[in-house]
Amino acid sequence: DVKVTQSSRYLVKRTGEKVFLECVQDMDHENMFWYRQDPGLGLRLIYFSYDVKMKEKGDIPEGYSVSREKKERFSLILESASTNQTSMYLCASSLPATGADEQYFGPGTRLTVT
Amino acid sequence: DAKTTQPPSTDCAEGRAANLPCNHSTISGNEYVYWYRQIHSQGPQYIIHGLKNNETNEMASLIITEDRKSSTLILPHATLRDTAVYYCIVRSNSGYALNFGKGTSLLVTP
Repeated sequence: DVKVTQSSRYLVKRTGEKVFLECVQDMDHENMFWYRQDPGLGLRLIYFSYDVKMKEKGDIPEGYSVSREKKERFSLILESASTNQTSMYLCASSLPATGADEQYFGPGTRLTVT
Repeated sequence: DAKTTQPPSTDCAEGRAANLPCNHSTISGNEYVYWYRQIHSQGPQYIIHGLKNNETNEMASLIITEDRKSSTLILPHATLRDTAVYYCIVRSNSGYALNFGKGTSLLVTP
């Protein structure tokens, strides 16, 4: 079974702190994604990566950066956390979309910025 | 990717079939219809996808109309564990990311 793991289920940080959210997948997938989920807004794509050291901005990249140094790991970085970044963060991975593909999601990290 | 429209909520009695409709009237020829669901406090889970033909797997059936402008996800014998938000997503094979809308909240009642 595909497994996508995220470093923390719950995280509390202070405003201005630098925050790292880690995601690891064990199925040798090329594509990895970071989404955030907020009530009433559904899932929104922050960044995605289709290869090591490659990244593309999603719909809401402002205030975030990402790092993909190894194929299995995709990190989301909040350079200076703010209260409006309090949210559920979801990581996903998939094989390249040569036809149809399935995205496999991690359990999510609920981040609270105080 | 084409936009989808789903009802915000629906309910179903346990053991009965749950039918979840989705409208995607602007779908283009190379776009697939995907269904995912999200159980409370968990990450989304892939259910099924299709292009033109109806599809069935161990979780559900997907019925796509002949003009491809709408589809229905069918859970043949809903259980309480099927209570979740169900997302209908349309995307082409050239895209990388899934565009999740607000989905349909399904409540399965005893």
